[in-house]
Amino acid sequence: AQRVTQPEKLLSVFKGAPVELKCNYSYSGSPELFWYVQYSRQRLQLLLRHISRESIKGFTADLNKGETSFHLKKPFAQEEDSAMYYCASRYNFNKFYFGSGTKLNVKP
Amino acid sequence: EPEVTQTPSHQVTQMGQEVILRCVPISNHLYFYWYRQILGQKVEFLVSFYNNEISEKSEIFDDQFSVERPDGSNFTLKIRSTKLEDSAMYFCASTSGTDIDYNSPLHFGNGTRLTVT
Repeated sequence: AQRVTQPEKLLSVFKGAPVELKCNYSYSGSPELFWYVQYSRQRLQLLLRHISRESIKGFTADLNKGETSFHLKKPFAQEEDSAMYYCASRYNFNKFYFGSGTKLNVKP
Repeated sequence: EPEVTQTPSHQVTQMGQEVILRCVPISNHLYFYWYRQILGQKVEFLVSFYNNEISEKSEIFDDQFSVERPDGSNFTLKIRSTKLEDSAMYFCASTSGTDIDYNSPLHFGNGTRLTVT
C-alpha cells in the first residue's frame, strides 16, 4: 500500500535554529510529493512540491529516491513557522495520501 | 487566485440529525475530495469524486455518509444521522486532474467545523 510516514508528531526548536521535518514514502513508481502547512485553525495550504524545486518562506525539500525521503528543511526557523506540516504523495493521477503530520513549535 | 469555498464555517447539530456540508470547488477542477480532521488529530481521507461518481472512499465513509454534485458548481457531503464522534473539521478539496495540468496539487477550502451535541 502507498504510505507516507512522518515519524515525528512534535518538533520544538528555538528561533534561529535549523529545522528538518522528516517524510518518508513508499511507492513503487515515480512519486509526486508535496508539503502542506496548516496554521492554527486554518486551511491546509500548499507549501512546496518536489517538481518545482523551489524555496518558499525559506523552506526547501529535496526528493531522495535512494532513501525514499522528502524532508522539509529551513536553516533558520522563525516563530511564524509554528504550524502543522503535512507531507503528501500523489499517485495514479489523482490519489493523494497524507502523512500524520508534524507539529512544529518554534520557541522565542 | 481561485479558491475552494465551503459553507457554513461552523455547524452545530444535535445527535441523530442530518447535516449537509457544502463546497464549491474551483471551477475548472475535475476531482473533488472530502477530508476530516478531528480536533488535534491528523487529516483523514473520506472520499474522492470524479465524473459524477465516487472514485474512492475510506473505511470512515460508511452508509451514513453520501456525496453529491447537485449542479455544476456545488459538491456536498451529507451525514444522515450524526453521531457525537462526527464532530470534526471537514475540508473539501479539489484538483484539476487534466492531462494539461497533471501536476496540479490539491486545493483546500477553509473547512466547516461540525459540532454534534
